[in-house]
Formats: sequence, structure tokens, C-alpha cells
Amino acid sequence: SYVLTQPPSVSVAPGQTARIPCGGNNIKSKSVHWYQHKPGQAPVLVVYIDTDRPSGIPERFSGSNSGNTATLTISRVEDGDEAVYYCQVWDTYSDQVFGGGTKLTVL
Amino acid sequence: EVQLVETGGGLVQSGGSLRLSCAASGLTANSNYISWVRQTPGKGLEWVSVIYGSGKTYYSDSVTGRFIISRDNSRDTFYLQMNSLRVGDTAIYYCARGTYCGADCYYLDYWGQGTQVTVSS
Repeated sequence: SYVLTQPPSVSVAPGQTARIPCGGNNIKSKSVHWYQHKPGQAPVLVVYIDTDRPSGIPERFSGSNSGNTATLTISRVEDGDEAVYYCQVWDTYSDQVFGGGTKLTVL
Repeated sequence: EVQLVETGGGLVQSGGSLRLSCAASGLTANSNYISWVRQTPGKGLEWVSVIYGSGKTYYSDSVTGRFIISRDNSRDTFYLQMNSLRVGDTAIYYCARGTYCGADCYYLDYWGQGTQVTVSS
């Protein structure tokens, strides 16, 4: 089955840019989606189909996908962005596949 | 607007059974893709099962043969029947609506708040 690899943690100071990578074999051939998950809350879709943003998600959230790595970029990071972020793709054999999640810490 | 509400979680002994429900509003059950996804303690999100609008169902290897996903079209409610539960099934269980976005593409755009399942030894 398809495997997505994320670093366990990323730290960034407020106002700076956070980049969260998601690695997968030839991931550029897949559509990658990203979720923000805060404790005690439901996960929230923040980027879909590599680069699109659902309504209500700030423009500070953006995505890219190239080669073997997709990336979620959060510009001008705020305290409220602290959460665990997951990448996800759909796979023929495993249906929904999630990365292991990256905890974003705002210093 | 789509809303999903999970119920049915609780504490159960290893080997026992539970049935989770996911009540949907703002959508029609028989034309939607619904997944169950769980978050185990200290770990990430794990896909568990899916039912397509067509009625086709699929399961992760870890629950195949033990869990059954179904729906009641008249109630717009989805179910996850969990049998032969194990300690490792302890998790928060979420139902989520999937949207088709082309070949080999689904994303989960609406999620419920989750229901806690605890399996004791």
C-alpha cells in the first residue's frame, strides 16, 4: 500500500513561515489533501487537490506538489495555527491514506 | 450545510461489540461517500472503513472480518458495527464525508466531532 511520510514536528516563531513536507513515491501523480487537527476538535480540511483552499480557510495556507514531496506552507504563522497537520491521498488498495502527522509548534 | 454527529461510543471489554452511529443532515445517504477514521492514543489518523454512494464497502486490513459498515437511507444514518474488539481498537472514531475530485481522488470535507471507544483487557 501507498505510504506517506511526514516529520513528527516543526517549530516556527510567530509571523514566520512554516513548511510541512509530505513524502511519497511519485506523489506528484496523486492529489494531496491537508487537514488541521486540534485537540478535542474535528479535523478541518485546509488544502485540497494539492493547492485549493476551502472557503473560510485563510490565504496564509497554501500547498504545492512536485516530484516525491508535497508541501503545506503556512505564512505569517499565528498562535492559533498550532495543531497537528496531516497529508492524505486516495489509494486504490487502501482507500484513504494518511501521513503520520506533523505537530506544528508556535514558539 | 452538512453536519455529522457520531454516537455509540463507550467502554467495552476485549472481545465485545459496539455499534457506532453517524447521523447526517444536509446530505442524502445513498448518494454520498462516508468514511470512518480513527485516532488512536498518541498516534495519528487511521482510515478504518468506507461506504460509497453505490453501496460498495471497503475495510482496512486491521478491521477486516470484525467491523461492518452500513447505512439506513431512510434515516440518513451510517453505522459501524464493531465486533471482536481489541485493546488496540481504543480510539476516537470520526465519520467524514468524502467528495469525489476526479480519477483516484477523494477528500474528506466534513467531519463529525468523534466518539470515544475504549476497549479494556
